[in-house]
Amino acid sequence: QVQLQESGPGLVKPSETLSLICTVSGYSITSGFYWGWIRQPPGKGLEWIGSFYHSGNTYYNTSLKSRVTISEDKAKNQFSLKLRSVTAADTAVYFCMRESGLGCGDDCYSQGSGPENWGQGTLVTVSS
Amino acid sequence: DVVMTQSPLSLPVTLGQPASISCRSSQSLVHSDGNTYLNWFQQRPGQSPRRLIYKVSNRASGVPDRFSGSGSGTDFTLKISRVEAEDVGVYYCMQGTHWGTFGQGTKVEIK
Repeated sequence: QVQLQESGPGLVKPSETLSLICTVSGYSITSGFYWGWIRQPPGKGLEWIGSFYHSGNTYYNTSLKSRVTISEDKAKNQFSLKLRSVTAADTAVYFCMRESGLGCGDDCYSQGSGPENWGQGTLVTVSS
Repeated sequence: DVVMTQSPLSLPVTLGQPASISCRSSQSLVHSDGNTYLNWFQQRPGQSPRRLIYKVSNRASGVPDRFSGSGSGTDFTLKISRVEAEDVGVYYCMQGTHWGTFGQGTKVEIK
C-alpha cells in the first residue's frame, strides 16, 4: 500500500522560496507512475502544479512554470517542490500525489485518470 | 486551457434520495489514444481528495456502487443513487486529457 507524506515549513515570507518534501513508502518512485504536486488555497478548488516520471520528463502548469522546480531523490524515495518568489496568493494546502499520467513529448502531458494516491496535505502560509 | 464547469455548486440532498452533479468541458475530452479522461473526486471535510470515478464511468477500488459516472465528449454526470451521511463533502470533476484541470467543486450537504 503506497503512502505519501508531505513535510516542510508551514510559514514562508513573501518573495522567498517555498520548499516541501514528499516521502513515499510502500512503493519505489523509480518503479513507474508519475509523481507530483497539487495545491488548494483555503476554501477553494484544486490546482495541478506539476508531475514527473523517474529519469524522464518533468511537466509543469504553465501558470507556475517560471517559478517551480520538482525534483526526485531516489536514494531516499522522496521528491520535492520548490516554488520561488512566493506571494500571499501561494498560500494553500499542498498535496503530493501519484498518478498514471501520459507524457507525449517535452512539452505535452496528460494527467490521464488523475491522482489515485494522495498525501494528507500540508498548509503553507505566505506571510511576513 | 480547458475549463471545467460544474453545476450546481451547492447541492442539499435528503438521506436516501438520489443526487446528480453535472460537469461540462470547454472542449472535447477524447484523447488521441481513444480514451476520455474525465474523472471524479470526493473530498470529505478535512480530508484529502479521493478518486471515485476514472475515465467517465469506472469506479475506483473500494468505491460503493451507489456512485456512477456517465457522459461523453464535453458533458458528464456523477450520480449517487441513494445519498448516505458519509457522502457529505465537495465533489470535483477533473479532465486529464489536455494536461489537467479541475472543476470548481460541488458541495453536497444533507438537508
